[in-house]
Amino acid sequence: EVQLVESGGGLVQPGGSLRLSCAASGFIFSNYWMTWVRQAPGKGLEWVANIKGDGSTRYYADSVKGRFTISRDNAKNSVYLQMNSLRAEDTAVYYCARVAYVDEGFDSWGQGTLVTVSS
Amino acid sequence: QSVLTQPPSVSAAPGQKVTISCSGSSSNIGNNYVSWYRQLPGTAPKILIYENNKRHSGIPDRFSGSKSGTSATLGITGLQTGDEADYYCVTFDSSLNAGVFGGGTKLTVL
Repeated sequence: EVQLVESGGGLVQPGGSLRLSCAASGFIFSNYWMTWVRQAPGKGLEWVANIKGDGSTRYYADSVKGRFTISRDNAKNSVYLQMNSLRAEDTAVYYCARVAYVDEGFDSWGQGTLVTVSS
Repeated sequence: QSVLTQPPSVSAAPGQKVTISCSGSSSNIGNNYVSWYRQLPGTAPKILIYENNKRHSGIPDRFSGSKSGTSATLGITGLQTGDEADYYCVTFDSSLNAGVFGGGTKLTVL
């Protein structure tokens, strides 16, 4: 069974940093692109970043480019999201998702981790 | 403002049919596959349709997807109260080099 478990969320001050983790199990992790998606309170889903199975290619939403870095450790079956220079508008539940189908077809999602940026 | 445009809400009676549209451009829907997701309050989204019109494992044939040009459509027949949820389309935008979601559509089954 595919499982994705996010961790690392919490309360951080504006301008601060946080690192999210997503631990994967139940599949050959290195074979899949992985994506981070976020959802601000009461708002819709927003695509954040993705990374290829071997880590060689990464894409970012304009809203996080230059501030967030996606990475992965295939030996640990984990994908990460390093978030720097955090702003109030980054407050959201962050989900990791497995890309099983072409063009961001996510067949599995984690339960999400809440990031709150506030002073 | 989302790159993909969905109606904010749709509604229909139990047993009826509803369609949800997702409008984009040549850099996203026009040249890439579309997926559809359903999200119940407080839970993670779940995939319904991938590659425009393929149902994910376990999704009943009441759900269908189609694409024409730069627009995609999700259809749901035989509506049930349990179908009340938020629905999202998503694809990859080749100009932005990023994934893009629609703004979401809230389905109410009256």
